[in-house]
Amino acid sequence: QVQLQQSGPGLVKPSQTLSLTCAISGDSVSSNSAAWNWIRQSPSRGLEWLGRTYYRSKWYNDYAASVKSRITINPDTSKNQFSLQLNSVTPEDTAVYYCARGGYSYGLYYMDVWGKGTTVTVSS
Amino acid sequence: QLVLTQSPSASASLGASVKLTCTLSSGHSSYAIAWHQQQPEKGPRYLMKLNSDGSHSKGDGIPDRFSGSSSGAERYLTISSLQSEDEADYYCQTWGTGILVFGTGTKVTVL
Repeated sequence: QVQLQQSGPGLVKPSQTLSLTCAISGDSVSSNSAAWNWIRQSPSRGLEWLGRTYYRSKWYNDYAASVKSRITINPDTSKNQFSLQLNSVTPEDTAVYYCARGGYSYGLYYMDVWGKGTTVTVSS
Repeated sequence: QLVLTQSPSASASLGASVKLTCTLSSGHSSYAIAWHQQQPEKGPRYLMKLNSDGSHSKGDGIPDRFSGSSSGAERYLTISSLQSEDEADYYCQTWGTGILVFGTGTKVTVL
């Protein structure tokens, strides 16, 4: 059974960097069939996919256009986890952040395992 | 532009059935989707993936009372024999050329 355990601070100051980690059990961050995602949820934006990292003989990343200039998602194979860094945050980045495993089936890319979520507030 | 449209709310009595709709935007009627459930104060949970022909595959442990079907650009989630724990938000989700899209969700109230 795949489980995702999130960790990271719940309060970040404006202009600073938001950093979260998602530890994987029951699967590998280096899986050739899965991808590892960050998604956030806020009342104003709903569920918003931020990006993913995945391994297919080498590492790839895809990022949403809305955060592309500020986001980095990195795998950590030694700890079987992946991380989110979002730079230059503003109060608009206040949200619940989720990590999730993604997979493909007949052209559909979908999330099939979700973390429990981390509430992050951007405030001074 | 790939957009998923959902009604904001739906309700039905305990033990009854409710059918939720997710509509794909023009030009995307052949797309498969996934349904996710979010109970109050919890993270989302994957329910099933649903193809354009109505075939679907559920996640581990998802009860039989959850089923999916399709018609044209519409994708449906039917919950039969509604239980109190089915009161939740339900989101559809799809993927298109490098972007993952969620619907705005339907809140289901069990009367």
